[in-house]
Amino acid sequence: AQSVTQLDSQVPVFEEAPVELRCNYSSSVSVYLFWYVQYPNQGLQLLLKYLSGSTLVKSINGFEAEFNKSQTSFHLRKPSVHISDTAEYFCAVSEVNAGNMLTFGGGTRLMVKP
Amino acid sequence: GAVVSQHPSRVICKSGTSVKIECRSLDFQATTMFWYRQFPKQSLMLMATSNEGSKATYEQGVEKDKFLINHASLTLSTLTVTSAHPEDSSFYICSASFGSKSREQYFGPGTRLTVT
Repeated sequence: AQSVTQLDSQVPVFEEAPVELRCNYSSSVSVYLFWYVQYPNQGLQLLLKYLSGSTLVKSINGFEAEFNKSQTSFHLRKPSVHISDTAEYFCAVSEVNAGNMLTFGGGTRLMVKP
Repeated sequence: GAVVSQHPSRVICKSGTSVKIECRSLDFQATTMFWYRQFPKQSLMLMATSNEGSKATYEQGVEKDKFLINHASLTLSTLTVTSAHPEDSSFYICSASFGSKSREQYFGPGTRLTVT
């Protein structure tokens, strides 16, 4: 069975600073990887995903994540954050050829300060 | 595309009563729907997976008689919390996918249940 670890439960950062939210996973088979964002009292929105191909994937709002197979990581980065990026971020994995069951990490609360 | 709605968004009920939460896929046929529970400041916990026309598969530790799931059509799944208690208060989120070969789940906006 796979598992997902988000090493930081909270990440405070000043506006316009860079940020990295860490995600590591363990699985005995190949995986698909996802980052979701959750704003207060809302459901999850897909931020970006890695299914195959280029290991660097990008979202439309400036986030990017790189799949590193050797380190089993899928860290999320943004070079300059905005106040509106304040939210909870969840990393998730699903095993290839095993349906679409998702296993979520514990989440990281990104708090952007003015 | 791939929009999922939930109704109601918030519900308050008295202890001992039952409450039904609806999850609808608005613009696609969802052969598989998932129900999650999220406690404050915690991650999502999968409760059950349901496929249209068949019984739901519950995760270990989830009481199937308490959390009744019905996936009657390709666009609607319902979660009924029976004989609710204050400890059932939580944020319930559904998601839907095109089927087991789909690589993604599309999430609803969630339902905040408060049991008094």
